[in-house]
Amino acid sequence: NAGVTQTPKFRVLKTGQSMTLLCAQDMNHEYMYWYRQDPGMGLRLIHYSVGEGTTAKGEVPDGYNVSRLKKQNFLLGLESAAPSQTSVYFCASSYSPGQLYEQYFGPGTRLTVT
Amino acid sequence: QQQVKQSPQSLIVQKGGISIINCAYENTAFDYFPWYQQFPGKGPALLIAIRPDVSEKKEGRFTISFNKSAKQFSLHIMDSQPGDSATYFCAASWRSGGGADGLTFGKGTHLIIQP
Repeated sequence: NAGVTQTPKFRVLKTGQSMTLLCAQDMNHEYMYWYRQDPGMGLRLIHYSVGEGTTAKGEVPDGYNVSRLKKQNFLLGLESAAPSQTSVYFCASSYSPGQLYEQYFGPGTRLTVT
Repeated sequence: QQQVKQSPQSLIVQKGGISIINCAYENTAFDYFPWYQQFPGKGPALLIAIRPDVSEKKEGRFTISFNKSAKQFSLHIMDSQPGDSATYFCAASWRSGGGADGLTFGKGTHLIIQP
């Protein structure tokens, strides 16, 4: 049982390049989330999904797109990377409706945009 | 507005002392208040959580105190140990009208326990 895994762990992009971050969970959780973590800013929700085929915007969605084609996977895309998107990205999942407050986080992806 | 305010930003406590981190919220629709612990290079992990109809919850050396009327809650770490050195986030869970749910996090407290 691997829990929540994220690929890649590190990435450096040039401004304007695109990339996709992959999140996978093997806990059969319905809900999945993408956060970004910046120093002094805590964790801010980018997008989330309440089930396969559904996605919704979070607090800071601009510049990102997501897809949830399979229940176990949640993809975060950056179409045209900007230096402001330099951050650590965390994926999380939770089982709802029973455990609304308990989210399981992946190890993170450290992204640098130059 | 879905916001949780956390203080202090950083905290240094001597080994064996009590660490106290405070949070305040505005939205009365929040329905659970968890605390997450994050070690360097790792993702956050749930530490302890409390419902708003409970004033205190204790798990080992970790206690949440909840004051519903003041819209405040706090984490107390008793007999703090160097292994408790980490970043702590308070959070509040919410539900949107469409049946979704999520967490709003505070900005975090970097706790250092000195030996």
